[in-house]
Amino acid sequence: GQQVMQIPQYQHVQEGEDFTTYCNSSTTLSNIQWYKQRPGGHPVFLIQLVKSGEVKKQKRLTFQFGEAKKNSSLHITATQTTDVGTYFCAVRLDSNYQLIWGAGTKLIIKP
Amino acid sequence: DTEVTQTPKHLVMGMTNKKSLKCEQHMGHRAMYWYKQKAKKPPELMFVYSYEKLSINESVPSRFSPECPNSSLLNLHLHALQPEDSALYLCASSQADVLYYGYTFGSGTRLTVV
Repeated sequence: GQQVMQIPQYQHVQEGEDFTTYCNSSTTLSNIQWYKQRPGGHPVFLIQLVKSGEVKKQKRLTFQFGEAKKNSSLHITATQTTDVGTYFCAVRLDSNYQLIWGAGTKLIIKP
Repeated sequence: DTEVTQTPKHLVMGMTNKKSLKCEQHMGHRAMYWYKQKAKKPPELMFVYSYEKLSINESVPSRFSPECPNSSLLNLHLHALQPEDSALYLCASSQADVLYYGYTFGSGTRLTVV
């Protein structure tokens, strides 16, 4: 079945440094979604990408979908304490309502 | 209204108890979901309702029983749970007719089975 590999599992950064998480698939993806889950919170939908080579920005967040639609990335510029949490990628299957989730990348700000 | 409301926020129950989790949304979404999330893991799909009909049951044990009374409400009835069922239970909703559409999650019920 469809699988999405997400790396790294954790990333420790100093406040003000950049952060990137990657999702990869061995098969072509029709779409990819990104969610953020704060500690003790619930997943919050950030964005969806569907087009080859698509790049979308939300303030300091940049989302990319690869040309071959087999990978995606989320890049945060100049991290802030409010960015702390776990970032998940997810793929919605065309055939039904299921989301296939990546394992998540936890962003940790070093004290 | 752009929220999914879940009650209760926390629940402690014994293995012989019967309890229910409730979920409500007023966004007109006709697909609703129950997810289970263990610590440090992504959400795990349990059930999907589409137009108030159960469309996916991910081989969930019968001690979990979902119900969709109408297009705004979703319940999860719990009976004879095990300690390993302790987790965060998340309700979510989305548009049913639009293929690529984000899910809106509720804040969850943190369940502890003792």
